[in-house]
Amino acid sequence: EAGVAQSPRYKIIEKRQSVAFWCNPISGHATLYWYQQILGQGPKLLIQFQNNGVVDDSQLPKDRFSAERLKGVDSTLKIQPAKLEDSAVYLCASSLVWLGTEAFFGQGTRLTVV
Amino acid sequence: EDKVVQSPLSLVVHEGDTVTLNCSYEVTNFRSLLWYKQEKKAPTFLFMLTSSGIEKKSGRLSSILDKKELFSILNITATQTGDSAIYLCAANNAGNMLTFGGGTRLMVKP
Repeated sequence: EAGVAQSPRYKIIEKRQSVAFWCNPISGHATLYWYQQILGQGPKLLIQFQNNGVVDDSQLPKDRFSAERLKGVDSTLKIQPAKLEDSAVYLCASSLVWLGTEAFFGQGTRLTVV
Repeated sequence: EDKVVQSPLSLVVHEGDTVTLNCSYEVTNFRSLLWYKQEKKAPTFLFMLTSSGIEKKSGRLSSILDKKELFSILNITATQTGDSAIYLCAANNAGNMLTFGGGTRLMVKP
């Protein structure tokens, strides 16, 4: 079974620039999550999709972050403009729609804002 | 607001030691508790616990959930250097939303 695919693996940008991350979940997984993991901390949920609808985006800094999952499959997360504190690993995960099932994570994108 | 707290923050042991990692949670409409091991970037799944008192076991790792006291423990016996990692626990609610703890960084010395 193919895993969750993310790209790029690494990205270095200057502050105030924009950046986009891509995620392709495991086939058939209706739920997709984007997490931000700052060094030394646990992953923090940014947004959760169920198919192409947003379930929870309460921790997404909407003034600069946006995410979409137009066809209910792959998803993009964008930051515009980036700040130094956005430097983190951005993890995408997916799970089956059934309650309580495990989430599978992609390898993540390490973003460095300089 | 859902909350998951892990302890200790970090742990250094020698090969062969046994370790116990703790995870407490406060989650509305709790469904399950999951343990992950994070070595590089992506957390990899270890256990999912839904019922109280039933131990799950995989090799030298085992875990148990107490839904009355709202905590879980992860035990690793006969630790090896390959067990060095960050161990994350996450609570899953009725909306299939995972809230993670801050993790426990385990270092196993030869």
